Amino acid sequence: SQQGEEDPQALSIQEGENATMNCSYKTSINNLQWYRQNSGRGLVHLILIRSNEREKHSGRLRVTLDTSKKSSSLLITASRAADTASYFCATSNYGGSQGNLIFGKGTKLSVKP
Amino acid sequence: GAVVSQHPSWVICKSGTSVKIECRSLDFQATTMFWYRQFPKQSLMLMATSNEGSKATYEQGVEKDKFLINHASLTLSTLTVTSAHPEDSSFYICSARDTGTRTGELFFGEGSRLTVL
Repeated sequence: SQQGEEDPQALSIQEGENATMNCSYKTSINNLQWYRQNSGRGLVHLILIRSNEREKHSGRLRVTLDTSKKSSSLLITASRAADTASYFCATSNYGGSQGNLIFGKGTKLSVKP
Repeated sequence: GAVVSQHPSWVICKSGTSVKIECRSLDFQATTMFWYRQFPKQSLMLMATSNEGSKATYEQGVEKDKFLINHASLTLSTLTVTSAHPEDSSFYICSARDTGTRTGELFFGEGSRLTVL
């Protein structure tokens, strides 16, 4: 069943601009992850933020997590045309070796050169 | 990083035939693998959890006799779509959890696109 809801569903920006995508979820989580998917390809893990963390950085990526609002945001700074892809948030409510991911509907990002 | 290989990457078949998709963890052992289905422009829906040496756990609404899952070794899980019909056409993605790491990070295959004529 769907857990996360991303918004916007689609986002079109110019190269160099920042892109912000949001994700909301419904149940308690252990961690929240963001993935990228190029058209017709598999998923690439971008970043994981645990439920006891509020913000995390990785290169041009910045993720925030607000467990009180059950929401997360992914910020891509200084976007590039190569960032064009769909971005999904996924939640996990297991901390151990088991546990699947429940994906949101995704945001389709288009970065124009 | 860890690699998960899916094969075939695309397949076209006639209605009524069965299609097998393989998911291999290339450089790590995975006692658990997950199979997802993705319709065009939609999100990934978990179909089943594949457990090495035991029966798969299917999500509600997924027909286990239609989508046969076998996880015979620590590096291979297979999904067989039996008696495929056009409505089974979809993008199937597997993921494998590296149980050798603390985080148990999930790694995804490149997906297999099935088209049933």
